[in-house]
Amino acid sequence: AQKVTQAQTEISVVEKEDVTLDCVYETRDTTYYLFWYKQPPSGELVFLIRRNSFDEQNEISGRYSWNFQKSTSSFNFTITASQVVDSAVYFCALTPVGGGYNKLIFGAGTRLAVHP
Amino acid sequence: GEEVAQTPKHLVRGEGQKAKLYCAPIKGHSYVFWYQQVLKNEFKFLISFQNENVFDETGMPKERFSAKCLPNSPCSLEIQATKLEDSAVYFCASSQSSGLTDYEQYFGPGTRLTVT
Repeated sequence: AQKVTQAQTEISVVEKEDVTLDCVYETRDTTYYLFWYKQPPSGELVFLIRRNSFDEQNEISGRYSWNFQKSTSSFNFTITASQVVDSAVYFCALTPVGGGYNKLIFGAGTRLAVHP
Repeated sequence: GEEVAQTPKHLVRGEGQKAKLYCAPIKGHSYVFWYQQVLKNEFKFLISFQNENVFDETGMPKERFSAKCLPNSPCSLEIQATKLEDSAVYFCASSQSSGLTDYEQYFGPGTRLTVT
């Protein structure tokens, strides 16, 4: 069975704090993709990152960084020096090999509120 | 086009009425996906298409939901005899690749269906 768990339902931080959003996944596939999406209050889904299971290198993009660890089946997302504009619901998702045509399996999302 | 287009943006239906939602995938994309998001919670996969053929319909409530992707027409998702529980945002996504690289599902802005 494939499953994505985002145990943190809501996180509240003050601006400039660092925050980590957890994502744990389950899959029997040896090849798969993991994603993070942002859904701001306006409702659209914004793609943040894609990582395939063969690439365990951590990635940094500006204030965003991702830590992929196959040993713990985790793909955590850290926002450094958070800003009010980071307030959104963040979804982690998984898709098996052949990801171009396979459905995304989403976690329940983590609502992040960044206060001034 | 370069974006997934969904119409209408909002749709209000009385319980028992029919609802029809449309999606125009990005030109050149072969795969179309429909997802349902209730109350900004997790996404539920409904159905996917490869061109005009159903690829995966494991998430479709077969009794009242149907979908089509016909050549030279927007894809459609139809709900017969809507129920209150069908109130949700319906997202369409499209993708182009079936290989292991450059895979991403591009999401439309969603159609908010309210059943009263």
